[in-house]
Amino acid sequence: EVQLEQSGAEVKKPGESLKISCKGSGYRFTTNWIGWVRQMPGKGLEWMGIIYPSDSDTRYSPSLQGQVTISADKSINTAYLQWSSLKASDTAMYYCARHYGAKIDYWGQGTLVTVSS
Amino acid sequence: EIVLTQSPGTLSLSPGERATLSCRASQSVSSSYLAWYQQRPGQAPRLLIYGASSRATGIPDRFSGSGSGTDFTLTISRLEPEDFAVYYCQQYGSSLYSFGQGTKLEIK
Repeated sequence: EVQLEQSGAEVKKPGESLKISCKGSGYRFTTNWIGWVRQMPGKGLEWMGIIYPSDSDTRYSPSLQGQVTISADKSINTAYLQWSSLKASDTAMYYCARHYGAKIDYWGQGTLVTVSS
Repeated sequence: EIVLTQSPGTLSLSPGERATLSCRASQSVSSSYLAWYQQRPGQAPRLLIYGASSRATGIPDRFSGSGSGTDFTLTISRLEPEDFAVYYCQQYGSSLYSFGQGTKLEIK
């Protein structure tokens, strides 16, 4: 059974750094794209980017390029989403999800990130 | 970048009725690259339809997808109480993905 287990909720201050994680199991992690989707409070889904863990090939949404970093550690089947300096506008639910071809077929439970002074 | 526009923004119907949700793309999308998702309150999204018309595993046959080019449709033949949720279309192209803004299906 494919499962994506995300790290817990975070409360941070503006300017702080953060790295959240997503551990995959039940499938071949290294040869499947895995990515992140943002959902700001009361808003829709926004695709952020993906990574291919085998070689760390990474693609970003043009609107989010440079604002976040997606990485993966294939030795522990885990993908990451990282910020170097958080803003209040980064407050959102973040979902990791397996990207299988053109579809996004398995989703994590979400990690709520709250950025507030 | 392809922009997906969903309509209506909100659809108010009663259980047992038929729902028709629309997704229009700013440029042609391969049918193979169009999917639909359901998101219930407080839950992660769930894949419903991929390749414009193929149901994902475990999805009831009251859900169907159709369309091609720039116009795609998700149809729910007879609404069940658990179908009242937000629905998103999604496209894939040039190694990038994007979502429509969503249609909220609410109980009338």
